[in-house]
Amino acid sequence: EIVLTQSPGTLSLSPGERVTLSCRASQSVSTSYLAWYQQKPGQAPRLLIYGASSRATGIPDRFSGSGSGTDFTLTISRLEPEDFAVYYCQHYGSSLFTFGPGTKVDIK
Amino acid sequence: QVQLVESGGDLVKPGGSLRLSCAASGFTFGDYYMSWIRQAPGRGLEWVSYISSSGTTINYADSVKGRFTISRDNAKNSLYLQMNSLRAEDTAVYYCARRAAAAGRAFDYWGQGTLVTISS
Repeated sequence: EIVLTQSPGTLSLSPGERVTLSCRASQSVSTSYLAWYQQKPGQAPRLLIYGASSRATGIPDRFSGSGSGTDFTLTISRLEPEDFAVYYCQHYGSSLFTFGPGTKVDIK
Repeated sequence: QVQLVESGGDLVKPGGSLRLSCAASGFTFGDYYMSWIRQAPGRGLEWVSYISSSGTTINYADSVKGRFTISRDNAKNSLYLQMNSLRAEDTAVYYCARRAAAAGRAFDYWGQGTLVTISS
């Protein structure tokens, strides 16, 4: 079973900064099945990126995803106030879905 | 617009049972795989189970296998999760989510969740 590790656990940043979040898989995974979600307190998660680099419908272009093999990255080019949230990566493989533990982006 | 509305969450004693429901609207429910995903208080997301569009293919996380049963009624646009032998560690918000048709097995729509609390 694939394990996803996200780092760092928490990031304290200011609006306007560039953010790079990491998701590492315990073994090589298909980019087709790597996704990123955003979750704000009291809300359901929202799909941001699928297929490692494709933005979901309605997602602003300041969000981008990249990576392959075991290392994947979610980048927010310029943090907006509404971007302070928890971000999860997720993988599908062998009929199982796995989520990473999440990275919290909070206001410095 | 796509809507998923969960219901059935409650306070249940350990060893008890509960049935969650998810009412879908705004899309052709019978065309999509569906999943249950849960989130314990203050914790991350944990996938629980999925069911294929026709209901013939099902899988579960090891943590619930043998205790939980997923099902669907496409005529009623509804997804269900029967939970038996409940444990304290099953306490969580349970979300139903639609697996995207063309977005690499990602979950493109989620309900707002229903809270299940297991406590004596």
